[in-house]
Amino acid sequence: DGGITQSPKYLFRKEGQNVTLSCEQNLNHDAMYWYRQDPGQGLRLIYYSQIVNDFQKGDIAEGYSVSREKKESFPLTVTSAQKNPTAFYLCASSIGLLGPERADTQYFGPGTRLTVL
Amino acid sequence: AQSVSQHNHHVILSEAASLELGCNYSYGGTVNLFWYVQYPGQHLQLLLKYFSGDPLVKGIKGFEAEFIKSKFSFNLRKPSVQWSDTAEYFCAVKENYKLSFGAGTTVTVRA
Repeated sequence: DGGITQSPKYLFRKEGQNVTLSCEQNLNHDAMYWYRQDPGQGLRLIYYSQIVNDFQKGDIAEGYSVSREKKESFPLTVTSAQKNPTAFYLCASSIGLLGPERADTQYFGPGTRLTVL
Repeated sequence: AQSVSQHNHHVILSEAASLELGCNYSYGGTVNLFWYVQYPGQHLQLLLKYFSGDPLVKGIKGFEAEFIKSKFSFNLRKPSVQWSDTAEYFCAVKENYKLSFGAGTTVTVRA
């Protein structure tokens, strides 16, 4: 089946620890994204990547890091510098990071719920 | 930066009632508009989208949305809701590469 997988579904972390969230897609999409979802705030963009070995900061990148070594994978590391990391994290992908003249829908994974203890 | 406003935080209605969810955005240039839905325990999924052409867009499960450029709005409608429409609905606006989301509206449909 084609789609986006995220693991784990639930993750618990102690304060001061880094943790890495996995995101894999087999849709052959070039662009991938990480969002954070908090109650009453919708989704906020953390990082995005247009192509392998390239990524850009979104609106709330502080305390997070990413890598894009393979087209199908875009892991997100939540570092100890992130002051309020407890949230629901969503990964998405799209065909390409295109301008307004192209129709480009983002497809989302099931999410990872991170809780900092 | 783009700002997306959804007027209602939580809507409660009975089956067969009509639904309208408001969405307004701030940017006046070329935008692409989306409604996403998140059913309980499921992925966020696309309900419908507008890129160009007819401003009245039809999506899945009987939903439709109307793009009114002069009002910067993209309201979602369904004439008769079902219990299975209980979900959280997000309006999103794509400006260049970036997709900006509204805060979401939780819709609860009572049988």
